Order: sequence, then structure tokens, then C-alpha cells
Amino acid sequence: DSGVTQTPKHLITATGQRVTLRCSPRSGDLSVYWYQQSLDQGLQFLIQYYNGEERAKGNILERFSAQQFPDLHSELNLSSLELGDSALYFCASGGQGKETQYFGPGTRLLVL
Amino acid sequence: DAKTTQPPSMDCAEGRAANLPCNHSTISGNEYVYWYRQIHSQGPQYIIHGLKNNETNEMASLIITEDRKSSTLILPHATLRDTAVYYCIVIGNNDMRFGAGTRLTVKP
Repeated sequence: DSGVTQTPKHLITATGQRVTLRCSPRSGDLSVYWYQQSLDQGLQFLIQYYNGEERAKGNILERFSAQQFPDLHSELNLSSLELGDSALYFCASGGQGKETQYFGPGTRLLVL
Repeated sequence: DAKTTQPPSMDCAEGRAANLPCNHSTISGNEYVYWYRQIHSQGPQYIIHGLKNNETNEMASLIITEDRKSSTLILPHATLRDTAVYYCIVIGNNDMRFGAGTRLTVKP
């Protein structure tokens, strides 16, 4: 158990819909990272928040957005969903930069 | 794009040492080498990391060449539960770029 929690575990929705994935970091960690893992793309870094502010951006689509709240939990919002957005979405938490990241169990999203 | 190159797959006999290579020839002076593994579709699990010196912990050893252009992760006594995809990652500015990793299969 990494100490990082993600909800929901599974999510099934339809194309065009919007969903919100939630992540609670380990106690004491100020950074939250989001990753997408699909079968044909491997594990892709999406975005990082540190203490409420966006710190780094990866391959995140404009239809996706994230935020980190004062209690340090984070939400990843996916809108106008497409079939290709079906994937595992992982959240990780860590320190400021090059420290170890601890991954949650992931949310499996299926877009039908 | 990932800054590392790893063989796509390797086999290892149970109880033997598993040596997983990684090339990171474009690594910069302030970038660390991290190793993670992913078992099935679970979240990646941290194994070890290093900058210049060799490192060892309860899970594995990390050998980094003097020029830092490559490294080797060593699992000293592989078990069936070590079957996983192993990712070698170079971390610079906060983001981790995962490559395809090496699928290690430990066989009885």
C-alpha cells in the first residue's frame, strides 16, 4: 500500500461525457502527478501540481484539466470523452521535484 | 520522448540474479536515474534511484557506469513475484517520461 488513494476504481461512461477522477496523496506529500496508461501508448505523464499550483505539464489534452485543492487532494477532469480516452489513470504523490513518486492503484476508465 | 533505452523483454531463472540494463546516453549532470516496476496493471512501484554512485537497498542494487550513460538494475535472487515490467527513467525537471520498459519473466 503506497498511501495514495484514487477513486473511483472503475468508471464506465459514454463518448461526449465528462468525468472527474480523484486522488489523495500520501500524508506530507505536496506534489501530485497524473499519468495516463493506455495499451498503445504506455505510461504518459500528464501534469504535476505542487502545493496547489501547476508545476509541470506533459502530454495533457486541452479537453483534460486538473487542480489541487488546499487539502492537497487533486482532481483530474476529462471532458468530451472519446473512445481513445479509455485507459488506466494513475495518480502519484511526492515531494518537490526529483524525489521518489508513490503511485496509487489507478482508475480504469472505459469510454463506450 | 523517453530518455532511456531498455530491452523489451528478459527471462530469469528463479533464485538467480536478474540484471536489467538501461542506456541513458543523453543524461545531464543533475538528472537522476530511477527504477520502477509495474506488476500487471497495478500502480508502478518505486525500486531504487541514483545519481552517480552505486546504490543498494532491500529490493535491489543499482550500478551506474562512470560516464553515467548506462546503468544496470540487479535483483540478487529473483522470485516468481518479481515478474513485472521494469522501467528505467531519467528525471530532470519534475516530469518522469516512461519508456516501454523491460518485461522480466522469472521462470521456475
